Amino acid sequence: QKEVEQDPGPLSVPEGAIVSLNCTYSNSAFQYFMWYRQYSRKGPELLMYTYSSGNKEDGRFTAQVDKSSKYISLFIRDSQPSDSATYLCAMSVNTGNQFYFGTGTSLTVIP
Amino acid sequence: DTAVSQTPKYLVTQMGNDKSIKCEQNLGHDTMYWYKQDSKKFLKIMFSYNNKELIINETVPNRFSPKSPDKAHLNLHINSLELGDSAVYFCASRQGAAAEAFFGQGTRLTVV
Repeated sequence: QKEVEQDPGPLSVPEGAIVSLNCTYSNSAFQYFMWYRQYSRKGPELLMYTYSSGNKEDGRFTAQVDKSSKYISLFIRDSQPSDSATYLCAMSVNTGNQFYFGTGTSLTVIP
Repeated sequence: DTAVSQTPKYLVTQMGNDKSIKCEQNLGHDTMYWYKQDSKKFLKIMFSYNNKELIINETVPNRFSPKSPDKAHLNLHINSLELGDSAVYFCASRQGAAAEAFFGQGTRLTVV
């Protein structure tokens, strides 16, 4: 079993739709939860991060962490064609030195 | 200024050859990584160096050898390249236990 599970998609939505991306994990020691966005032929870039449980909002993006269910989500409101990318969740233990990535979900927003 | 830079960006080589990928970061970070991304976009850590010392060495064939001449550089040398080594290799850096890791643009390695 992988440390982090993520549905690879692909996911295709019309412009303006609300997108929900999710990951589950097995290691209860994870404390930092991150979402990276990767455009084609580019390196991943940090989009959002959350420490422990709760919600975090940044513009059109909302990250949620439910540690009791070992489940994290990223919501994108009013999705734009420029949001078309692969979204990778990543997790890290509090004092650890390693990120564990999900397999990434490929998202296409159709104009 | 590119924070994490890798060279080359593309590398096409024959089976059995030896090749190196270079990585440099100008962020002053103390930790650097090598990740391998397969065709299904799965990012798997290979090596982690903290202050020039190897911290993580995942199950990677001995043909892969990282070298960190100083905190700002982490190079990856690959001996006797195999078809299965074809992937995109990413270098990344991070400061301590900070949440954000900065990635290079990747090196697309194709072994023919």
